[in-house]
Order: sequence, then C-alpha cells, then structure tokens
Amino acid sequence: GIQVEQSPPDLILQEGANSTLRCNFSDSVNNLQWFHQNPWGQLINLFYIPSGTKQNGRLSATTVATERYSLLYISSSQTTDSGVYFCASLSGSGTYKYIFGTGTRLKVLA
Amino acid sequence: DTGVSQDPRHKITKRGQNVTFRCDPISEHNRLYWYRQTLGQGPEFLTYFQNEAQLEKSRLLSDRFSAERPKGSFSTLEIQRTEQGDSAMYLCATPGQANTGELFFGEGSRLTVL
Repeated sequence: GIQVEQSPPDLILQEGANSTLRCNFSDSVNNLQWFHQNPWGQLINLFYIPSGTKQNGRLSATTVATERYSLLYISSSQTTDSGVYFCASLSGSGTYKYIFGTGTRLKVLA
Repeated sequence: DTGVSQDPRHKITKRGQNVTFRCDPISEHNRLYWYRQTLGQGPEFLTYFQNEAQLEKSRLLSDRFSAERPKGSFSTLEIQRTEQGDSAMYLCATPGQANTGELFFGEGSRLTVL
C-alpha cells in the first residue's frame, strides 16, 4: 500500500511567521486530506484536496497528484495553530482505506 | 461539532478485562471507520464498514478485537482480554453529508490499560 512521508517532523515558529508543510506519497494520491489535531486530540478536517489549490483564511493547500505530493501553507501563524498536522490519502484503487502520515508537530510561540 | 459522537471518552481498565467503545454518527452515512492512534504516531487504520458490512480489516485487528455495525448506523468496537499495548486513542470517522470522501472524526475514546 501507499507510504506517506511528512516533513518537517517538528516545527517551531514565532507568532506571525509563515510555514510550509509537505506530504510525499509513494504511489498515486487519491482523495487527499489535511487534518489538524488539537492539543485535546480532536482531528479537524482542514482540506479535502485531491488536486489543485484551495484556500481557507490563513491556510491554503496544494496537491500535485501527478508528482505525488501536497503542501499546506500557514501564513501569519497564531498560537492556536499549534498541534499536529496530518495528511491522508486512500491507500489505493478499489479501497476506501485512508493511510495517514506520521504528522508535523507545530508549536507557535507568542 | 463533527457529527460523530464517541463513548466513553476515557476508559481505564485492568489488563485482561474487556472493553467496548461506541460510535454514533449523527447523520446516516454508508461508511464508518475505526482508527487507532498511539502517542506520537498518526492514526492507524483498523477497519471500515459499508452499511452493515465490514469490508476491510487491518492486520492490526487481532482476534481480540471485534467491530460491529448491526443496523448500519452506530458501531461498536470491542477489545477482549486487554493488554497494555492496547492503550491508545480509538477514533471513529464518517464521510461528510455530501459524501465526497472527506472524513470527519469523533473526539475519540482514550483507553488506558493498567
């Protein structure tokens, strides 16, 4: 099945800074999604982005399915952006099983 | 509100006991997923249902684990003879109402096995 690699594994930012998180996939990307896990463990769906670019406020995401990667941009970071960011993709054709990356742990300092 | 309710939120049990977790999607969805997440890791797929049918199970799901979705609405995940290695967050997810493929997770059930 598909392997998902996320980078960087850890990131510390000063409030107001911008950042880019990346997901690389070993195989075809399907139904790619980005999630934010808050300090209480809740996984929040940020973007459903099989391809192309989407923006939601200070966050935007781009998926280049042909090159098997996706990027999440965070601009003007805030302390509430802290947490762990995961990307996930279907593991292959003919299945609805989603595979998650190991996450990027973000800490935004005031 | 993600539209997925999980119960209990926390469970502490002794090794060897059985535990059961419940997932209640607020709206009916044909697919329902269970994931497990241990500290510092991403969610790991356990199983998913299409209506009542359990279509796929991970090899992580040993004989001690069983999941059901009897009427195609709520689901239960039972762990028998718990082991300390079962300590984890157990997450339930369903697609959004538009059924586009987006996953929405409940708040999870955190299991601690002493």
